[in-house]
Amino acid sequence: GALVYQYPRRTICKSGTSMRMECQAVGFQATSVAWYRQSPQKTFELIALSTVNSAIKYEQNFTQEKFPISHPNLSFSSMTVLNAYLEDRGLYLCGARDGLGGNTGQLYFGEGSKLTVL
Amino acid sequence: TQTVSQSDAHVTVFEGDSVELRCNYSYGGSIYLSWYIQHHGRGLQFLLKYYSGNPVVQGVNGFEAEFSKSDSSFHLRKASVHWSDSAVYFCAVMPNYNVLYFGSGTKLTVEP
Repeated sequence: GALVYQYPRRTICKSGTSMRMECQAVGFQATSVAWYRQSPQKTFELIALSTVNSAIKYEQNFTQEKFPISHPNLSFSSMTVLNAYLEDRGLYLCGARDGLGGNTGQLYFGEGSKLTVL
Repeated sequence: TQTVSQSDAHVTVFEGDSVELRCNYSYGGSIYLSWYIQHHGRGLQFLLKYYSGNPVVQGVNGFEAEFSKSDSSFHLRKASVHWSDSAVYFCAVMPNYNVLYFGSGTKLTVEP
């Protein structure tokens, strides 16, 4: 089956430091990966969409300078939260789409990387 | 612009009851709709999806949802809930096959 692993599951970092999180797709080819942040209020914000061999598209209020993303192959993506502050805390989820599965549209999600900023 | 609205932030039912979680969307073109479940502290688990065809779609664990174009709705239902169904449920729309936009979620509490 299709699985997505995210690590680390939890990170506590000091304000102003950075945190890198990784997303591994197993059992399918992740042609696109969407990164989300779930706030403590539980709403989801789309950060960016990364498609292999295409430019990464960031949503409004999110920038490459703050959330650089790497998507070097069809099974791996990473994102870094640079200079993390209190407002960056939350659960970061990656959702990967099986590009060879036709237009089923299903995203497979990892368990998330929870960021706590002190 | 596409939006997803889940009007009920909290729903509480008793075990064995039926439940309907409401989802309304606004988008003019062809879309893909889905429901996900999130247990406390966990990631998102896929429940079901609709793109075309039969407007009533079956999902895992006895869940089903019905698409209505006239009402712009995609409500989730279950005939008899179990305590393990307690979780937060998210409705999502995918207008371009790559990105999901989520509603604000409905927390379902199933009491014994």
